[in-house]
Amino acid sequence: SQQGEEDPQALSIQEGENATMNCSYKTSINNLQWYRQNSGRGLVHLILIRSNEREKHSGRLRVTLDTSKKSSSLLITASRAADTASYFCATDLYGNKLVFGAGTILRVKS
Amino acid sequence: GAGVSQSPSNKVTEKGKDVELRCDPISGHTALYWYRQSLGQGLEFLIYFQGNSAPDKSGLPSDRFSAERTGGSVSTLTIQRTQQEDSAVYLCASSSVQGSANSPLHFGNGTRLTVT
Repeated sequence: SQQGEEDPQALSIQEGENATMNCSYKTSINNLQWYRQNSGRGLVHLILIRSNEREKHSGRLRVTLDTSKKSSSLLITASRAADTASYFCATDLYGNKLVFGAGTILRVKS
Repeated sequence: GAGVSQSPSNKVTEKGKDVELRCDPISGHTALYWYRQSLGQGLEFLIYFQGNSAPDKSGLPSDRFSAERTGGSVSTLTIQRTQQEDSAVYLCASSSVQGSANSPLHFGNGTRLTVT
C-alpha cells in the first residue's frame, strides 16, 4: 500500500485563486517532499520539509507538516496557468527510498 | 550541468521480447532509483542503487525484472519476456546523498514502454 495519499484527486481553479492539496501518510517519517509533474515529463522537486519543521515557504509555495496528524498540505498562492500539473507528496521509508502518493491533478484555467 | 538522461524515450515491443532501458544519472550522484508509473497513477518504487550495489530491490515485480549499475554511473533496467501489464513509464532518478532519501531526487523524463 502507498505511504502517502493525496487529496483531492483532482482540482480545478481559476487563475489567481489559491490551490491547496493535502497529503496523509501512515508511518513515522524523517522528511516529506512535494514534487510536480507536467504531462509527459519527469518529476520536479518543489520542497522538502523535515519532521522537526512545521512550515516552509518557497516563492508562491507554502508547505505545512503536522506529524501528530501524519499530514501535510501544499498551498500554491495566486495560481497561474503554468501551475497546471500533477502534484505528488513523497515520504521516506526506512530512510532509503521515497514512496510517492497517487498525486493531485491541478488544472488552472485562464 | 546535464540532468538525468533516459533512453529510449519511447519503446514499443511485442509481448515476449526482452527490453533494456538506460539511465544516465547526474555526474557524481551516488544514489540511483528506478520507479514505474502506470497511466494516471503514482510512482511505484522498483529498485535503489548506492554506487554499484542495490541495497533495496524489493520493488521489482517479478524475476523477469533485473537492473544493474556499472562504474557507479549508468544503470540499465532489463525486462525479460515482456507482458502487456509491463506497459508503463519507467522513471529514473538520482541523488547526491548517500544511502538516504533525505534529499531531493532529480528525475529523468522517463521511458514510455508499450507492450503490444
